[in-house]
Amino acid sequence: GIQVEQSPPDLILQEGANSTLRCNFSDSVNNLQWFHQNPWGQLINLFYIPSGTKQNGRLSATTVATERYSLLYISSSQTTDSGVYFCAVLSGYALNFGKGTSLLVTP
Amino acid sequence: ETGVTQTPRHLVMGMTNKKSLKCEQHLGHNAMYWYKQSAKKPLELMFVYNFKEQTENNSVPSRFSPECPNSSHLFLHLHTLQPEDSALYLCASSLLPRMMNTEAFFGQGTRLTVV
Repeated sequence: GIQVEQSPPDLILQEGANSTLRCNFSDSVNNLQWFHQNPWGQLINLFYIPSGTKQNGRLSATTVATERYSLLYISSSQTTDSGVYFCAVLSGYALNFGKGTSLLVTP
Repeated sequence: ETGVTQTPRHLVMGMTNKKSLKCEQHLGHNAMYWYKQSAKKPLELMFVYNFKEQTENNSVPSRFSPECPNSSHLFLHLHTLQPEDSALYLCASSLLPRMMNTEAFFGQGTRLTVV
């Protein structure tokens, strides 16, 4: 299957800071999604972005399919942004997930 | 309700018990999935159902038994589990089979503890 690598594994930010999370994948993809997992375990959809750029408020994402990577940008971070961010790509029958980036935003 | 709903949210069961996890989607999707998330591990695909037919069993032990009576409901029947089966079990759905060119949505998960 397609391998997914996320970096950094852990990130600590002060409130108001900006950050960039990266997702590298090993083959071309028809589906790439970014999720935020909250402390209660729910996966919240952030972006469906197999290619191109999208923005939603303080968050934006870019996928460069030809170079096999995707970036998630978080601007003006807030404490509620804390949690684990997952990148997932279609591999076989369903999404294959990376190990995630654990983000902690401190006041 | 909208989206993907899982019940129960938390479950504690003994190794000799039989229990079932339920997933219901209100999105009109045609494919449903079970994932397992163990501590410190990535999400692992368990089962895939497309139009109520199982199309993938990712080498899951037989103590986990899925059931998909229709495109809106998915169950995971559990029996004689082991403590290492303790995990967060997540259900997902997508409009098209195999999540091909289509966004997948997840439920809140069931946190299972086997004692």
